[in-house]
Amino acid sequence: NAGVTQTPKFQVLKTGQSMTLQCAQDMNHNSMYWYRQDPGMGLRLIYYSASEGTTDKGEVPNGYNVSRLNKREFSLRLESAAPSQTSVYFCASSEAHGGLADLPTSFGPGTRLTVT
Amino acid sequence: KQEVTQIPAALSVPEGENLVLNCSFTDSAIYNLQWFRQDPGKGLTSLLLIQSSQREQTSGRLNASLDKSSGRSTLYIAASQPGDSATYLCAVSKDSSYKLIFGSGTRLLVRP
Repeated sequence: NAGVTQTPKFQVLKTGQSMTLQCAQDMNHNSMYWYRQDPGMGLRLIYYSASEGTTDKGEVPNGYNVSRLNKREFSLRLESAAPSQTSVYFCASSEAHGGLADLPTSFGPGTRLTVT
Repeated sequence: KQEVTQIPAALSVPEGENLVLNCSFTDSAIYNLQWFRQDPGKGLTSLLLIQSSQREQTSGRLNASLDKSSGRSTLYIAASQPGDSATYLCAVSKDSSYKLIFGSGTRLLVRP
């Protein structure tokens, strides 16, 4: 049971390049999340997915797209990377169904992204 | 707009000391409050979840309290150990949704 896994662990991009951050969970959780954490700040929600095929914007969605490929996988895509997107990105998951407090319970180790 | 503040940003204590970490929030209309632990290079681990109707939660040497009216929560760590060294974050949610607002964390160092 690997929990929540993220790839890659580190990435350096040039401004304007695109890339996809991958996230997978093996706990059969329904909900998945993408957060970013900037130095000296708490986590901020980028996107949320309550189930396969559904996504919701979070607090800071601009510049990102997501895809909930299936129940296990939730990817985050940067179409044209900008220096402001330099951050550590965390994927998370939770078991809760809609209607109950649906809070992230399991977090991945993070992807450290630098955009130059 | 809800804001969550954690002071101090960093704390260093000798092993064995009891300590308190603070979390304050500007809007007292919260649904619940969570405390997380973050180790370097790793994801977050949920430590304690306090529902808005509760005053405190305990897990082992950890005790979290909640005072909604004053917009404050504290995380009490008893008999601290070097293994407690990590960053501790608190987060609040306004309703039963998935939207958590995080504080920036307190980086704790417990010296042997």
